[in-house]
Amino acid sequence: DAGVTQSPTHLIKTRGQQVTLRCSPISGHKSVSWYQQVLGQGPQFIFQYYEKEERGRGNFPDRFSARQFPNYSSELNVNALLLGDSALYLCASLVVAAETQYFGPGTRLLVL
Amino acid sequence: AQSVSQHNHHVILSEAASLELGCNYSYGGTVNLFWYVQYPGQHLQLLLKYFSGDPLVKGIKGFEAEFIKSKFSFNLRKPSVQWSDTAEYFCAVNEGNTPLVFGKGTRLSVIA
Repeated sequence: DAGVTQSPTHLIKTRGQQVTLRCSPISGHKSVSWYQQVLGQGPQFIFQYYEKEERGRGNFPDRFSARQFPNYSSELNVNALLLGDSALYLCASLVVAAETQYFGPGTRLLVL
Repeated sequence: AQSVSQHNHHVILSEAASLELGCNYSYGGTVNLFWYVQYPGQHLQLLLKYFSGDPLVKGIKGFEAEFIKSKFSFNLRKPSVQWSDTAEYFCAVNEGNTPLVFGKGTRLSVIA
């Protein structure tokens, strides 16, 4: 079985631009969470979606938004990029009943 | 809000040495506890998890962790480390299906 997949793997943007990151969960997993991992820190929660509905939001500004599609894949959008948005963006999928999250390889975003 | 403390930022060990990495979370209740590992250039992988039952949990690659409720701790141990254990180790906690709260991570370097 394929694990969690994310695209693109790397991305370079300039301040003020917008970016869209994509995630496909493990087959059969209906919940997706997004995390931001800044260099030298642990991942920090951004959003959780279950069955296409937002179930949780972390302490991130409104420039960050996300959605989940009928096939349970998800997109994370970040508008008006700042230098501080440079990070590894992780997607995790889970079977709600199992309560264990499985992480994808991440998208490394560099904002110049 | 829940928080996780990992006491060691960087640990350097010789091969065959024993390992113990500390992890404390901020408050009780019914928590789920996890250790994830991030090998160089690879994505976060689950090492082990505790939901309930036996407080001594065995994971992959010879790792184990002990949940001590009275100390709000979930320390990771391995009796004899190998060079291939060089990685970043993250402790995480959640309650039910809430988002994971991660510690800042401990970087383990194993030298020959």
